[in-house]
Amino acid sequence: GAGVSQTPSNKVTEKGKYVELRCDPISGHTALYWYRQSLGQGPEFLIYFQGTGAADDSGLPNDRFFAVRPEGSVSTLKIQRTERGDSAVYLCASSLKGGPTEAFFGQGTRLTVV
Amino acid sequence: DAKTTQPTSMDCAEGRAANLPCNHSTISGNEYVYWYRQIHSQGPQYIIHGLKNNETNEMASLIITEDRKSSTLILPHATLRDTAVYYCIVMRSGAGGTSYGKLTFGQGTILTVHP
Repeated sequence: GAGVSQTPSNKVTEKGKYVELRCDPISGHTALYWYRQSLGQGPEFLIYFQGTGAADDSGLPNDRFFAVRPEGSVSTLKIQRTERGDSAVYLCASSLKGGPTEAFFGQGTRLTVV
Repeated sequence: DAKTTQPTSMDCAEGRAANLPCNHSTISGNEYVYWYRQIHSQGPQYIIHGLKNNETNEMASLIITEDRKSSTLILPHATLRDTAVYYCIVMRSGAGGTSYGKLTFGQGTILTVHP
């Protein structure tokens, strides 16, 4: 498919466990964004990659959250020692080069911490 | 980035035009107005964006007031599939800064299109 792909679509984990969420952006898109959306709220920015580097990680809530994009394509959002408050839909978006161009979003990964 | 204000919810009859307002009175000269929508259980979808001129594409029209302090998204013939949360976002256009392209979502407007 040509769109942004996120896996898994659903993830249930126990409190305290480690999780990884994957994002496959549209081929050729250098900009990649992670957002988090809690129930009834708009998406909240977490981190922005331009190529392999994290250009802005100001939205990561604490040091349990980390994201990588080692080859400038696929990105992984990693959450350590998960807490129930981390339960949300995690959305990934990519755009051709960032900036005032349209961003394409994936369907998201619904994370539930029990 | 400038803050936006939208009504919490709106209704529209199927086949009629849906006009969704957005106030962005603190917008600055290099900020674009973007509209996205989010259908239930899906990721947000880009609709349209503009700087100062009115814009139209296959999905919608965007009318920006001359002072750029407000805008209206128009869906000319709303269908049931247009029921969604609509987000108005203001974003810097300049390449400077590390948050290039970062979207700041508010609460949006819940648009319900009814038969």
